[in-house]
Amino acid sequence: SQQGEEDPQALSIQEGENATMNCSYKTSINNLQWYRQNSGRGLVHLILIRSNEREKHSGRLRVTLDTSKKSSSLLITASRAADTASYFCATGSLQGGSEKLVFGKGTKLTVNP
Amino acid sequence: DAGITQSPRHKVTETGTPVTLRCHQTENHRYMYWYRQDPGHGLRLIHYSYGVKDTDKGEVSDGYSVSRSKTEDFLLTLESATSSQTSVYFCAIGYRWDQPQHFGDGTRLSIL
Repeated sequence: SQQGEEDPQALSIQEGENATMNCSYKTSINNLQWYRQNSGRGLVHLILIRSNEREKHSGRLRVTLDTSKKSSSLLITASRAADTASYFCATGSLQGGSEKLVFGKGTKLTVNP
Repeated sequence: DAGITQSPRHKVTETGTPVTLRCHQTENHRYMYWYRQDPGHGLRLIHYSYGVKDTDKGEVSDGYSVSRSKTEDFLLTLESATSSQTSVYFCAIGYRWDQPQHFGDGTRLSIL
């Protein structure tokens, strides 16, 4: 069963604009991760934020986590055409004694030059 | 890229045949994972391993088996392939379960 759900499913912006993607989940988590996937390639890890953290930055990426609302957002500032990719959130938790990382269905971002 | 290699990269086979996909890592990571990616479903966990000979089922394990006899190799086997197993399969590795995973470039499997 899917844990994280990204919103929107697709996003098209102009180069230089900011892109915001949201992720909602249903159960308690240990951490939440964001990944990027370029067409035809594997996923690449972007940022991991733990349940006791509220915000993390990495270059042009900013991730927030609100555990009371069970939601996270990924902000890409000053977007570039090379940011065109699908972005996935994944929630990490212990479920029934098993360690699980559950991925959402992704947001497809297109950055137009 | 992290030292992770999937083979083959592409395969076409017929229903009912056995298929084995291989994931090889050079990072000495404890955790290895097999996922499948399908349109409309995102990435779903098939099986994972937390050490040599230690494996556990994921969300969509029916019809799949795995083996890990060495730290560096994790094999995914479809004993009798069905058309519903047509998908892109990704292997991933991780140092700990709550750490980032590093993915291979996938195997595109078509079952006719």
